[in-house]
Amino acid sequence: EAGVTQFPSHSVIEKGQTVTLRCDPISGHDNLYWYRRVMGKEIKFLLHFVKESKQDESGMPNNRFLAERTGGTYSTLKVQPAELEDSGVYFCASSQARPGSGSPLHFGNGTRLTVT
Amino acid sequence: AQSVSQHNHHVILSEAASLELGCNYSYGGTVNLFWYVQYPGQHLQLLLKYFSGDPLVKGIKGFEAEFIKSKFSFNLRKPSVQWSDTAEYFCAVIPGYSSASKIIFGSGTRLSIRP
Repeated sequence: EAGVTQFPSHSVIEKGQTVTLRCDPISGHDNLYWYRRVMGKEIKFLLHFVKESKQDESGMPNNRFLAERTGGTYSTLKVQPAELEDSGVYFCASSQARPGSGSPLHFGNGTRLTVT
Repeated sequence: AQSVSQHNHHVILSEAASLELGCNYSYGGTVNLFWYVQYPGQHLQLLLKYFSGDPLVKGIKGFEAEFIKSKFSFNLRKPSVQWSDTAEYFCAVIPGYSSASKIIFGSGTRLSIRP
């Protein structure tokens, strides 16, 4: 089966610009997660979709971040306007059921975002 | 707030040395515990997990981890490392019951193996 794919793999933008990251989960996975890792720190939870619904968005840093999952398939994460502290690696992951039930989490390779 | 602490940021070992990476979490209730690994240029993948039962969990590639509830720890071990174990290792926890969905990760430990 195809894994979780993320696009782009790298993005370099200037402060104030807009960037949209995309994640295609494994087909049939209702659960989709976004995580972020900033400069060698911990991988931090951003939000969780179940199909097209936001189940938990407690990790979203502020209203400059907007995540969508129209139709319950792929998801986008838009940062507008980008700030320097938004730089980091953004990971997407998907699972059939919630990880707490034993369902494994499958990660994409991540998008490395650099804001200059 | 719940957190996961990984004590070592970078560990350097020679091949055949024994490995132990520390992990402690701050949550007093039921937990599910994980170790993930990210090899250079690859995605994060599950190494092993603990949900219940035997606190000594065996994973892929000869890795194992021991859940010690009294110490809030879930240390990762391997008796003899190989050059191919060079990677970054992340400890993670889901606090709460099976309905929980948020995995909390540590900051990672980079492991470098000298051939």
